[in-house]
Amino acid sequence: GAVVSQHPSWVICKSGTSVKIECRSLDFQATTMFWYRQFPKQSLMLMATSNEGSKATYEQGVEKDKFLINHASLTLSTLTVTSAHPEDSSFYICSASGYSGIPNEQFFGPGTRLTVL
Amino acid sequence: GQNIDQPTEMTATEGAIVQINCTYQTSGFNGLFWYQQHAGEAPTFLSYNVLDGLEEKGRFSSFLSRYKGYSYLLLKELQMKDSASYLCALMDSNYQLIWGAGTKLIIKP
Repeated sequence: GAVVSQHPSWVICKSGTSVKIECRSLDFQATTMFWYRQFPKQSLMLMATSNEGSKATYEQGVEKDKFLINHASLTLSTLTVTSAHPEDSSFYICSASGYSGIPNEQFFGPGTRLTVL
Repeated sequence: GQNIDQPTEMTATEGAIVQINCTYQTSGFNGLFWYQQHAGEAPTFLSYNVLDGLEEKGRFSSFLSRYKGYSYLLLKELQMKDSASYLCALMDSNYQLIWGAGTKLIIKP
């Protein structure tokens, strides 16, 4: 149990376009989903936390108008990178919590590698 | 505030034992996680400690001392596939994960 999927696994887009990344909990209801970004050779940086049916809470320095997060159901959250630029190229990872003997344990998706040309 | 420190990089030999340390400072504590992350992949769960002591799981063990703000991950009988980054993550009073920068472990034959 506790499987999280992400789609797509990688995407290449032109500068100025928008990209949507989906995160799904396949076999449990995720009360909370998290979006991380990871640049090469750096640790995970939390971008935002979202609870089903409510607005996401963004970390300091993360532009909410640029990184749109929708957590419409207990199994799906989406991250849309709007007007992407080369500096947005990164590895985006989602995680979900809501299933575990460990309180609030996060289960990670496989990640999405975004390259903006 | 919160702070997590772990070594940037370590090197060990195949078949040997290595200990990766993690020290932290926090006002609220709800457990400490260790994750393994191979390059280009998402982190995978290794261990969780919330009480003091040693948790053993196969070749991997994790230790916690809450008083000292200290944890370590012990890897035995190292294999080449253990080459990866090992991330120490603290769960704070709000149940949010605070991540260390990760320790890159290089295994040599």
